[in-house]
Amino acid sequence: DADVTQTPRNRITKTGKRIMLECSQTKGHDRMYWYRQDPGLGLRLIYYSFDVKDINKGEISDGYSVSRQAQAKFSLSLESAIPNQTALYFCATSDTVNEQYFGPGTRLTVT
Amino acid sequence: QKEVEQNSGPLSVPEGAIASLNCTYSDRGSQSFFWYRQYSGKSPELIMSIYSNGDKEDGRFTAQLNKASQYVSLLIRDSQPSDSATYLCAVITSGTYKYIFGTGTRLKVLA
Repeated sequence: DADVTQTPRNRITKTGKRIMLECSQTKGHDRMYWYRQDPGLGLRLIYYSFDVKDINKGEISDGYSVSRQAQAKFSLSLESAIPNQTALYFCATSDTVNEQYFGPGTRLTVT
Repeated sequence: QKEVEQNSGPLSVPEGAIASLNCTYSDRGSQSFFWYRQYSGKSPELIMSIYSNGDKEDGRFTAQLNKASQYVSLLIRDSQPSDSATYLCAVITSGTYKYIFGTGTRLKVLA
């Protein structure tokens, strides 16, 4: 089984809808991250969490919210989706000073 | 100045040649450095991590770190068409231990 899983893998939704992307990990890491990736813009950090009680905004948090339900679970919500939130979303985990492990990604399309 | 900078490319090399990918970073106190490979539409996967000045070799890959000059590079020997991908440099900053990605260099290996 994959160490970092994301659901759904693909989602098409309409403008104004609320949507939740979920991430689970079995690596036992405290740190979890949500990124979005757009063509030519690289990975941009949305939110990150260093433990269950510590959640921080990244560089592009507007329009997004997160919930860290447990050490292993970190969810990203779009309260009212808009077309420019169409992107590839990645969840990742890490320990303090070592590499990040990425989930397979969620391709989100907002029409 | 961006915290982690990479030339976006594309960098084109013939099959069998050495591909050289470069990355500079702004936080002089950074201690951890990583190279990831990302195929189009897929999640980043770790190729190399390096923490000390000098070279680190793993198969056809060599990471080079020069903290005084604040750059890290990745050499790919005997490049293959399957190496065609985007290569992301990542740095963990000092103090806050933030994980910063560059925007990536696209590599094309020509058969």
